[in-house]
Amino acid sequence: NAGVTQTPKFRILKIGQSMTLQCAQDMNHNYMYWYRQDPGMGLKLIYYSVGAGITDKGEVPNGYNVSRSTTEDFPLRLELAAPSQTSVYFCASSYSGTEQFFGPGTRLTVL
Amino acid sequence: ELKVEQNPLFLSMQEGKNYTIYCNYSTTSDRLYWYRQDPGKSLESLFVLLSNGAVKQEGRLMASLDTKARLSTLHITAAVHDLSATYFCAGGGQGGSEKLVFGKGTKLTVNP
Repeated sequence: NAGVTQTPKFRILKIGQSMTLQCAQDMNHNYMYWYRQDPGMGLKLIYYSVGAGITDKGEVPNGYNVSRSTTEDFPLRLELAAPSQTSVYFCASSYSGTEQFFGPGTRLTVL
Repeated sequence: ELKVEQNPLFLSMQEGKNYTIYCNYSTTSDRLYWYRQDPGKSLESLFVLLSNGAVKQEGRLMASLDTKARLSTLHITAAVHDLSATYFCAGGGQGGSEKLVFGKGTKLTVNP
């Protein structure tokens, strides 16, 4: 099993550009999550999903969108990138009611 | 709304010494997690604590949960350099939700 995979690993965007961060898991987990981690801070939840077709906002959803068309994939879309979105983004998954497993992260810089 | 506070945020200790990291949370939480993060890396799950009085141990690390005091501790015994990392606690599970709220993390440096 590859676990949770994320692409790309690094990306530099210009202000106003858009991009999609990809996340996939092969553990047949129902729950998937997107977090951002700013320097010296813990993780903050952006969006999460409890199953295909179901998504909900977390603590910091503004400026992001998600979709969940399959169990395996949970892409995060950034529209009109802003410097405040410079961060490390982590995707995670869990089998309902259990611990979360994290992907390797995507380091995003918006200039 | 659940809030999670860790202390200390920075901890420098010598090899062979013992120390405890504290994690306080503000409201009822069904479960408490501890994660480890090495610089530039992802988060690795250490412990899942599901009930009052739960205690789990792995090597030199031991985690406990007191739901009445809304407190979890991560105790380090006879620290070694390899334990240097940032440790996060996270609370969650309120009302069946799996949304986690993370503390800011404790950066542990173990010096020879």
